[in-house]
Amino acid sequence: EPEVTQTPSHQVTQMGQEVILRCVPISNHLYFYWYRQILGQKVEFLVSFYNNEISEKSEIFDDQFSVERPDGSNFTLKIRSTKLEDSAMYFCASTPGWLETQYFGPGTRLLVL
Amino acid sequence: DAKTTQPPSMDCAEGRAANLPCNHSTISGNEYVYWYRQIHSQGPQYIIHGLKNNETNEMASLIITEDRKSSTLILPHATLRDTAVYYCIVRSIKAAGNKLTFGGGTRVLVKP
Repeated sequence: EPEVTQTPSHQVTQMGQEVILRCVPISNHLYFYWYRQILGQKVEFLVSFYNNEISEKSEIFDDQFSVERPDGSNFTLKIRSTKLEDSAMYFCASTPGWLETQYFGPGTRLLVL
Repeated sequence: DAKTTQPPSMDCAEGRAANLPCNHSTISGNEYVYWYRQIHSQGPQYIIHGLKNNETNEMASLIITEDRKSSTLILPHATLRDTAVYYCIVRSIKAAGNKLTFGGGTRVLVKP
């Protein structure tokens, strides 16, 4: 069964450094999402992406965040200058069409020191 | 999106049916009920969804009341691997509603 994959599984970085989280969505999917979950808190929506454009973003997704689909298979989340409060699990999700079921990857655990 | 209310936790005996309630009294006609679960900080896993009819798949059954103000997820024969946080999510079909809004969910512990 096709799955969403994410790399790395864990990332440790220093505050102020840039990080790029990578996701490979399911191959025929067209809509892509990033969510995050701070330890012990709810899963929160960050951004949705379709046709090389952001279709919706949350208040969390400020100018420090960006997303990109650099090629036909990868979907990335970049945090330009990490803060301590960016420490969280980051989940990528994809769906074949609008309003269809979202399938999540296993997540990247980001720790900012 | 309509707000959902779930009990924070529940226990279930292995091999027995687990019935997980969800209240969504403010649901509107264009909103679906989705259920996901999250096993120990893994990515949320899709279980089932429905609009107004009851639904069943290989994982679970979803029973939606006639007025659509509440629903119940049924795991027919709970196993230890079903221990997880279960999220009931109401999702709008309007253009701005494609995101999933997670609440606190129900932490289900399946006991031997």
